[in-house]
Amino acid sequence: EVQLVESGGGLVQPGGSLRLSCAASGLTFSTYAMRWVRQAPGKGLEWVSAISGSGGSTFYADSVKGRFTISRDNSENTLYLQMNSLRAEDTAVYYCAKEVLRYFALDYWGQGTLVTVSS
Amino acid sequence: QSVLTQPPSVSGAPGQRVTISCTGSSSNFGAGYDVHWYQQLPGTAPKLLIYGNSNRPSGVPDRFSGSKSGTSASLAITGLQVEDEADYYCQSYDSSLRGYVFGTGTKVTVL
Repeated sequence: EVQLVESGGGLVQPGGSLRLSCAASGLTFSTYAMRWVRQAPGKGLEWVSAISGSGGSTFYADSVKGRFTISRDNSENTLYLQMNSLRAEDTAVYYCAKEVLRYFALDYWGQGTLVTVSS
Repeated sequence: QSVLTQPPSVSGAPGQRVTISCTGSSSNFGAGYDVHWYQQLPGTAPKLLIYGNSNRPSGVPDRFSGSKSGTSASLAITGLQVEDEADYYCQSYDSSLRGYVFGTGTKVTVL
């Protein structure tokens, strides 16, 4: 069974940094593109970043470009999101999710980790 | 703001059929990109309901069906059940934004 478990969320001051991790199990991790999706309190879903199976291609939403960096360690079956220069509007639950092969859909999601940016 | 527009809410009695629309544009649905649908129960992560416009993942009841035509898509729920009360989101890819986009979300209420 595929499992995705996020960690690393917490309270951080504006301008600070945080690194999220997503540990994957039950799949051949390097086969699949992965994404980060966030949801601000009481709001809808927002795509944040994506990475190819090899890690060679990365993509970002305009709202985080230049501040966030997605990466993966296929030997450790782990996805990362390095978040720098955090702003209040980055406050959200962050989910990692696995892409369906050949489709831009997400079939497995983690439970989410809450990031709160506040002084 | 999202480029995929959904009605904020829809409702129906148990057993009824409800549909949720998702309106896009020439840079997403009109460009041939697929629509995917997710169900999010309160306090939980989203769950994939429909992918590739009309395909159901294993375990999703056939009460849920999806379609896409032109720059619009829709999700239909037949035989509405109390446990279907949730938020529903459409999702696609947008070539103008060069990124993945979600719909604004629709809350389904079972009367």
